[in-house]
Amino acid sequence: DTAVSQTPKYLVTQMGNDKSIKCEQNLGHDTMYWYKQDSKKFLKIMFSYNNKELIINETVPNRFSPKSPDKAHLNLHINSLELGDSAVYFCASSPQQGDNEKLFFGSGTQLSVL
Amino acid sequence: KQEVTQIPAALSVPEGENLVLNCSFTDSAIYNLQWFRQDPGKGLTSLLLIQSSQREQTSGRLNASLDKSSGRSTLYIAASQPGDSATYLCAVRRAGGFKTIFGAGTRLFVKA
Repeated sequence: DTAVSQTPKYLVTQMGNDKSIKCEQNLGHDTMYWYKQDSKKFLKIMFSYNNKELIINETVPNRFSPKSPDKAHLNLHINSLELGDSAVYFCASSPQQGDNEKLFFGSGTQLSVL
Repeated sequence: KQEVTQIPAALSVPEGENLVLNCSFTDSAIYNLQWFRQDPGKGLTSLLLIQSSQREQTSGRLNASLDKSSGRSTLYIAASQPGDSATYLCAVRRAGGFKTIFGAGTRLFVKA
């Protein structure tokens, strides 16, 4: 059983399109995240939800909209895709807010905008 | 603003060597520090988590230390193996917040 699963693994699309990436965790965690890893491999947080509530919203274009229907799911919708959106997007989850919080990552979605 | 730096950016060693990866951070007010491993095309796997009140954690051939006052952590890998080849990332979660800030990683290659 995959702990944090995200789909699709690869996404190739044209500029201007709208696309979604889905994430689900079966670990019973309260907090979920979206990270972006650029071509230089730098990992930057985009959003975080705790029990379906938004707790982190970094300086991300409002073309990116996260949606958490329940605490096991955090989907990422991207409108009007641009070339600069090409990156690997990682979903992650953690059990609680505290010292012993470990992050569990999905395997990533490689987005290529042509 | 918390910044996390990892040195070296890349490292190539022969099999069997002991090695040290370095991580430094600018703000010592942290909740915890984690070391992750990332294989090409894969997600990140948490290796070790050191709480702010701890000084080190060990798992098998891995030992991570934390010195908050100097803003440093090291990951020690004993008797390296080709299977250890991967990118190792250090990440710091700051106190009083929910964000975890990542370093750029050290790419390790262990030659057979």
